[in-house]
Amino acid sequence: DGGITQSPKYLFRKEGQNVTLSCEQNLNHDAMYWYRQDPGQGLRLIYYSQIVNDFQKGDIAEGYSVSREKKESFPLTVTSAQKNPTAFYLCASIVAGGRGEQFFGPGTRLTVL
Amino acid sequence: AQSVAQPEDQVNVAEGNPLTVKCTYSVSGNPYLFWYVQYPNRGLQFLLKYITGDNLVKGSYGFEAEFNKSQTSFHLKKPSALVSDSALYFCAVRDLRNSGNTPLVFGKGTRLSVIA
Repeated sequence: DGGITQSPKYLFRKEGQNVTLSCEQNLNHDAMYWYRQDPGQGLRLIYYSQIVNDFQKGDIAEGYSVSREKKESFPLTVTSAQKNPTAFYLCASIVAGGRGEQFFGPGTRLTVL
Repeated sequence: AQSVAQPEDQVNVAEGNPLTVKCTYSVSGNPYLFWYVQYPNRGLQFLLKYITGDNLVKGSYGFEAEFNKSQTSFHLKKPSALVSDSALYFCAVRDLRNSGNTPLVFGKGTRLSVIA
């Protein structure tokens, strides 16, 4: 099956810890995105990457970091600097050219204990 | 700057009745417009998109949307609602002038509740 996988589905973090959320796609898509979803706030863009070894900050990048060493993978690290990390995190990708729709992964729910 | 407004947080409709979920947008150029649906604790599923051409776009699960340039709207519609349509719906936009794969801008979502 082609698609986007995110792991883990549920993640619990103690305050002060860094955690990394995985996002992998086998769609041969060039661009990948990370969004954060909070109730009543829709989707807010954290980071995105249009090509390997390049990425741009989104609207709420503070306290997060990413890497794009391989086309298929775009992991997101939630650092201890992110003061309110409890949220649902969604990864997405799109084929080159930008005329199509973004495909989304199933999401990771992060809870800070 | 691009933006999307979904003026209703919640829409309630009886099963079998027509449904409408509203969306208005703002872009500097011409828009790409999208509708997505999200079920609890799941990712977003693509429903339909408008890029160019016919203003009435048909999508998955019997949904359709009408692009209205003068009103800058892209309302989602379905002639007969099902209980299984109950979910969170997102409208999104990208400015056609933007090159490459710039991110979609999403509305805050509208929760649709279809009552049997």
